Amino acid sequence: GDSVTQMEGPVTLSEEAFLTINCTYTATGYPSLFWYVQYPGEGLQLLLKATKADDKGSNKGFEATYRKETTSFHLEKGSVQVSDSAVYFCALRDLYGGATNKLIFGTGTLLAVQP
Amino acid sequence: GAGVSQSPRYKVAKRGQDVALRCDPISGHVSLFWYQQALGQGPEFLTYFQNEAQLDKSGLPSDRFFAERPEGSVSTLKIQRTQQEDSAVYLCASSLGDSGNTIYFGEGSWLTVV
Repeated sequence: GDSVTQMEGPVTLSEEAFLTINCTYTATGYPSLFWYVQYPGEGLQLLLKATKADDKGSNKGFEATYRKETTSFHLEKGSVQVSDSAVYFCALRDLYGGATNKLIFGTGTLLAVQP
Repeated sequence: GAGVSQSPRYKVAKRGQDVALRCDPISGHVSLFWYQQALGQGPEFLTYFQNEAQLDKSGLPSDRFFAERPEGSVSTLKIQRTQQEDSAVYLCASSLGDSGNTIYFGEGSWLTVV
């Protein structure tokens, strides 16, 4: 079945450092890919998405490119801030694989940014 | 309200007790999802409604779990005879349509079974 694998955390960085959180997926159909973020004490929020191969999703300085050849959707940010500290979830939604249009999540990666 | 609203936010239940968790989706949203998130894990799909129809309940872990959305808006997730392994955050989410639309999540109901 469809699945998402993302790098384990925690990831601890200093402010202004470069961030990469790896995410790979397996899917039977043509999934859309997502990054959700969960700030402390808050619900899941959509950070960015890409719906087809080679699309780049971007928001708040974060970027991720849908790479079909490597089945990856790595999250990057050039300069992290303390306010980026949160748990980041990679997810897919396979609308054409014969399954319900539910999101399938990875296990999450905790990012801690130190001043 | 503007977002997905869940209640109660926190619930402590004694083992064997029944619990009911409520979800108010965003007004007009057709699709509604329930997820279970154990500590340190990603959300796991439980069930999906399109209006009042429960189209997928493949993620419900046992027959102690039951969900309904009788009028196509508010939904209730019921857990009977709770057990310690049911301790988790239960997330409700909604979206405007059944494909391609952004899925919005509530803040979750934290259930602890003691």
